[in-house]
Amino acid sequence: QSVLTQPPSASGTPGQRVTISCSGSSSNIGSKNVYWYQQFPGTAPKVLIYRNDQRPSGVPDRFSGSKSGTSASLAISGLRSEDEADYYCAAWDDSLSGHVFGGGTKLTVL
Amino acid sequence: EVQLVESGGGLVQPGGSLRLSCAASGFTFSSYDMHWVRQPTGKGLEWVSGIGSAGDTYYAGSVKGRFTISRENAKNSLYLQMNSLRAGDTAVYYCARGSEGFDPWGQGTLVTVSS
Repeated sequence: QSVLTQPPSASGTPGQRVTISCSGSSSNIGSKNVYWYQQFPGTAPKVLIYRNDQRPSGVPDRFSGSKSGTSASLAISGLRSEDEADYYCAAWDDSLSGHVFGGGTKLTVL
Repeated sequence: EVQLVESGGGLVQPGGSLRLSCAASGFTFSSYDMHWVRQPTGKGLEWVSGIGSAGDTYYAGSVKGRFTISRENAKNSLYLQMNSLRAGDTAVYYCARGSEGFDPWGQGTLVTVSS
């Protein structure tokens, strides 16, 4: 059971906008920055969003992050087949004194 | 180019020990926090341990008292000493730099705990 809660799966058709939610608590998302990672099968994860809504250089602006209270969301607009991957949210947890991840969301592009 | 390369994984019996290494290059290693994150096959990510640039250490509850993280700045290297290994520790272990999140990650090294 992950500390951060994500839907196990999400899907969309090319061109659509898809959002992936990440629910936490006051000890993590409610008071700390949220990070999003993208992972393709057989490869290491890559940071997609840092500090809630910031994109590293090289990440398309189709990807955006937001946070409200104890929840965060990753939005992908103009969905493309190459976006099919696993997505994880993460944050520091003050109660656990450690980093925590969501269980991951497998995105399928139909 | 920033690069992280893990080594030291392998097959170990329950109760055994293993030491993972992570060789860093392309950045000033001593200035960054470093972390270990693991992923069982087909499952999600789990943060294992982190060490600050000043040497402060942090552990997930599942490994506290069994794993020890350390760093050797002169060798640009990060280590994870794993003792009292259990089947549940079987996973790919990644090292990652702490920089606006975990960025970048190494390619991972597989640890299998089995008799």
